[in-house]
Amino acid sequence: NAGVTQTPKFRVLKTGQSMTLLCAQDMNHEYMYWYRQDPGMGLRLIHYSVGEGTTAKGEVPDGYNVSRLKKQNFLLGLESAAPSQTSVYFCASHTTANYGYTFGSGTRLTVV
Amino acid sequence: GENVEQHPSTLSVQEGDSAVIKCTYSDSASNYFPWYKQELGKGPQLIIDIRSNVGEKKDQRIAVTLNKTAKHFSLHITETQPEDSAVYFCAASPARNSGYALNFGKGTSLLVTP
Repeated sequence: NAGVTQTPKFRVLKTGQSMTLLCAQDMNHEYMYWYRQDPGMGLRLIHYSVGEGTTAKGEVPDGYNVSRLKKQNFLLGLESAAPSQTSVYFCASHTTANYGYTFGSGTRLTVV
Repeated sequence: GENVEQHPSTLSVQEGDSAVIKCTYSDSASNYFPWYKQELGKGPQLIIDIRSNVGEKKDQRIAVTLNKTAKHFSLHITETQPEDSAVYFCAASPARNSGYALNFGKGTSLLVTP
């Protein structure tokens, strides 16, 4: 039982490049979330999903897209990376019966 | 939307002392209030949570209290130990029209000195 696994752990992108961050959970959780964490800003919600095939915007969705084609996976895409997207990205999930999040270990992204 | 404010931003205590972190929230519809501990280089980990129909909850050395009227909740850590040093985040969930998404405070960096 691995919990929530994020891939990759580290990445450096050039401005304008694209990439996809993968979040995979093996707990059969319905709800999944992507947050970004910046110094002094706490955790801010980017997008979330309440179930397979559904996604919704959070507080800071601009510049990101998401997909949830399979219940266990939640992908976060950056179509054209900008330096402002330099951050640590966390994925989290929970089930309907328990609102407590299980977080992944994060992806540290640097855009130069 | 929900706004969660957390104080203090940094807290230093001596080993064995108590630590208290306070949070306020704005949305009266919020009904779930978890606390997370984040160690350096790791993801946040749930340490305790409370629902709006409960005023206090304890788990060994940690406790959370909730005052729904005043819209604030607090984390209490007693008999602090050096391994309690970490960043602590409070959060609140408005629980409607948001997929139970949590709104987080900006964190409190707790340092426990031997």
